[in-house]
Amino acid sequence: GQSLEQPSEVTAVEGAIVQINCTYQTSGFYGLSWYQQHDGGAPTFLSYNALDGLEETGRFSSFLSRSDSYGYLLLQELQMKDSASYFCAVPSGNTPLVFGKGTRLSVIA
Amino acid sequence: GAGVSQTPSNKVTEKGKYVELRCDPISGHTALYWYRQSLGQGPEFLIYFQGTGAADDSGLPNDRFFAVRPEGSVSTLKIQRTERGDSAVYLCASSLRGGADTQYFGPGTRLTVL
Repeated sequence: GQSLEQPSEVTAVEGAIVQINCTYQTSGFYGLSWYQQHDGGAPTFLSYNALDGLEETGRFSSFLSRSDSYGYLLLQELQMKDSASYFCAVPSGNTPLVFGKGTRLSVIA
Repeated sequence: GAGVSQTPSNKVTEKGKYVELRCDPISGHTALYWYRQSLGQGPEFLIYFQGTGAADDSGLPNDRFFAVRPEGSVSTLKIQRTERGDSAVYLCASSLRGGADTQYFGPGTRLTVL
């Protein structure tokens, strides 16, 4: 089966940089996805890493190390609107996603 | 274009009743997924459709849960004899072809069983 571990809560200051880590155990690895979810909202796709290395999309970057079964999401120039829950997820044997429990990010002034 | 839509947005029912939750995926998406999310948890997979057929229903918790997608577009999740433990947000997602294609989520239906 699949399992993912990520911190439950992170607090950071507006304008700062924050890194949210994710470690995973899978019986077959296809890639690591990240989703953002605001309270009461739908999960929104942020990034997908199939290969090792860093993927950058604006203020958000995602990193993957397959040998370490580890990835992270990096958020730069934090804004108040970035306060949300962030989930790492991996596809299971077919294609449904298995999600971590989520990291609740609070951005403070 | 329009995203994934789900109706109703909220559903309150009594224990033992039957409910139907509807999902309209993005037009042209062949893959459709149902997930369930409890407070403070990540979404949990229920069932996956490729076209009209259920490709994977291993996440359905028991035989009270059933889903259909008769024309390969709209899907309905049906829950019989609801229990208080069924209370959660039910999320629907679609992707263009399945596989590693990005899944786009709807806003969810918040089900409350009294």
